[in-house]
Amino acid sequence: EVQVVESGGGLVQPGGSLRLSCAASGFTFSTYWMHWVRQAPGKGLMWVSIISGDGTVTRYADSVKGRFTISRDNARNTLYLQMNSLRPEDTAVYYCARDVAMAPDDWGQGTLVTVSS
Amino acid sequence: QSALTQPASVSGSPGQSITISCTGTSSDVGGYNYVSWYQQHPGKAPKLMISDVSKRPSGISNRFSGSKSGNTASLTISGLQAEDEADYFCCSYVATGNWVFGGGTKLTVL
Repeated sequence: EVQVVESGGGLVQPGGSLRLSCAASGFTFSTYWMHWVRQAPGKGLMWVSIISGDGTVTRYADSVKGRFTISRDNARNTLYLQMNSLRPEDTAVYYCARDVAMAPDDWGQGTLVTVSS
Repeated sequence: QSALTQPASVSGSPGQSITISCTGTSSDVGGYNYVSWYQQHPGKAPKLMISDVSKRPSGISNRFSGSKSGNTASLTISGLQAEDEADYFCCSYVATGNWVFGGGTKLTVL
């Protein structure tokens, strides 16, 4: 069974940093591109970032470019999102998802990031 | 990148059909057949219902169907059931190599 489990969320002050993790199982992790998608409280979905299976290709939404870094450890079947210079508007549930046929699929339950003083 | 445009809400009675639209541009919806649709119940993770404009993943009811014309994609749900009440989001690949979601549509089953 395909499973992804996010962790690492919490409360952080504006300007602070946080690293999210996403543990994957049930599929050959290294062969799949992986997404991060977020959802602010009561709001819609916003695509954040994607990384290729071998980690050499990364892309970011304009609103997080230069502040967030996506990476992966294929030996540990784990996806990461390093978030720096956090802003209150980054407050959201962050989901990781496997890319299947150019679409985020197999989502985890998410991890909540709250940016507040 | 601006979000794709969806109606804020739609409603229908059990057994009826409804259609949710998703309008983008030639750089996203109109330029690629990589439109997907997601169902999200309150407090739950999104669930993929349609990929590649009209393909249903294994296990998804054939009451759900997708289509596209020009820069607008559509999700149709036929034979509405109470459990279909949820938020629905469209998503498209973008020419920049990114992805973009729609603002979401709340479906109410009357």
